[in-house]
Amino acid sequence: GNSVTQMEGPVTLSEEAFLTINCTYTATGYPSLFWYVQYPGEGLQLLLKATKADDKGSNKGFEATYRKETTSFHLEKGSVQVSDSAVYFCALSDRSGGFKTIFGAGTRLFVKA
Amino acid sequence: GAGVSQSPSNKVTEKGKDVELRCDPISGHTALYWYRQRLGQGLEFLIYFQGNSAPDKSGLPSDRFSAERTGESVSTLTIQRTQQEDSAVYLCASSASTGPVGELFFGEGSRLTVL
Repeated sequence: GNSVTQMEGPVTLSEEAFLTINCTYTATGYPSLFWYVQYPGEGLQLLLKATKADDKGSNKGFEATYRKETTSFHLEKGSVQVSDSAVYFCALSDRSGGFKTIFGAGTRLFVKA
Repeated sequence: GAGVSQSPSNKVTEKGKDVELRCDPISGHTALYWYRQRLGQGLEFLIYFQGNSAPDKSGLPSDRFSAERTGESVSTLTIQRTQQEDSAVYLCASSASTGPVGELFFGEGSRLTVL
C-alpha cells in the first residue's frame, strides 16, 4: 500500500539557518504530494503541494520539488524564523488509494532566536 | 460556519464507556476524513467518506470504532467500550474535491482522555 516516510525530529535550528526535512514515499500510482503544517495550538493547514513529477510547490518561503526518480518531496527553506517552529507533515493522495490522503509521522521543528 | 467544526473539544471518560465525537464539515465538501493523533505521533488514518460511495473503513483499528455520515453533512465517530489506548486527539478534515489535488481542511480536533 501507499506510505510516507519522513525524517524523525525534533529538528532544532538557529534563526536564519537552512532547513531541509526529508520525505520519501511509496505509491503504486502517480500521487499528488503535500506538506501540511501544525503550528502550536492550531489545526493542520496546507503549506504547499505538487501534483506531478518535477513540479515545485512553494509558499511562505518554503519549497518542495516532486522527484519521481527518487520518490522524494523534501521540504526546504533558505532562512528559517522563530515563527516557523511547528510540526510538518508530508502527505500523499493517489488513485490507487482511492484518493484518500495519508500522512507521514510528522517532524517537529524548533527555531531558536 | 467558515471552517470544520468538531465537538466536544475535550472529553474525559472512564474505561468501558462509549463516546461519540461529532464533525461538521465545510458546507459543500464532499469528502470527509477522520484521523487519530496520539501524543507526539503522526496522523493515523481511520475512515474516509466520499459523497455517496461506500466509506473506506480500512483504518479503523477495531470493531469498537464506527463512523457514520449523513449525506454530505455531519459525521459522528463512535468508540464503544473505550480503552486507555484510545486516548488521543481525533481530527476531522473535509475536502471540496475528489481526485488528486484536494486540499484537506482540518478541524481543531477532539481530545479524548480515557481514565
